[in-house]
Amino acid sequence: QQQVKQSPQSLIVQKGGISIINCAYENTAFDYFPWYQQFPGKGPALLIAIRPDVSEKKEGRFTISFNKSAKQFSLHIMDSQPGDSATYFCAANYLLSNSNSGYALNFGKGTSLLVTP
Amino acid sequence: DAGVTQSPTHLIKTRGQHVTLRCSPISGHKSVSWYQQVLGQGPQFIFQYYEKEERGRGNFPDRFSARQFPNYSSELNVNALLLGDSALYLCASSLREPRETQYFGPGTRLLVL
Repeated sequence: QQQVKQSPQSLIVQKGGISIINCAYENTAFDYFPWYQQFPGKGPALLIAIRPDVSEKKEGRFTISFNKSAKQFSLHIMDSQPGDSATYFCAANYLLSNSNSGYALNFGKGTSLLVTP
Repeated sequence: DAGVTQSPTHLIKTRGQHVTLRCSPISGHKSVSWYQQVLGQGPQFIFQYYEKEERGRGNFPDRFSARQFPNYSSELNVNALLLGDSALYLCASSLREPRETQYFGPGTRLLVL
């Protein structure tokens, strides 16, 4: 199966600090890289996404940095707030082999972020 | 606008039983995907449908099946339930092509005893 490796597994940041979550992938056929935020008991909510022809994308306090040559991408949360405490997943979209042009998201294992007051 | 809706929200079944989970995509969205999320893990892809046709299938046994209806809603069926099927089942929809951004519903929490 296509792999997306995410780190760290857990992260504790003080209010106002910067949270950084990293992901690495192997398959250069991946062409779309979203980040999802998930609160306990809820479904993943799309946070921000990037395509590999762009090196950086910023939306409010959230920034994705993308390094195509290193096959790595990261999420930066500026001015982290207690309300940002959640699990964050990186993902990569890929064309399914042996399929009728289907695409699927391959998710990392998640990072549990805790922002302390 | 309403997001992706799923029913039921919670479900308890016993081993060997059958379960049907339902999903309504965002209005206007034509593609639906199903994922299984085991506690502490990222979602795993099960099926994708677009315009009522299966477009892809993940690495799940034949006990899992799905379909998409003319109104683009979808059902996921699981037969002969096992304890290991206990998970959060997520439905995601995208506007047109399956390649586009996927928006997830709240999920159905299935517990198999």
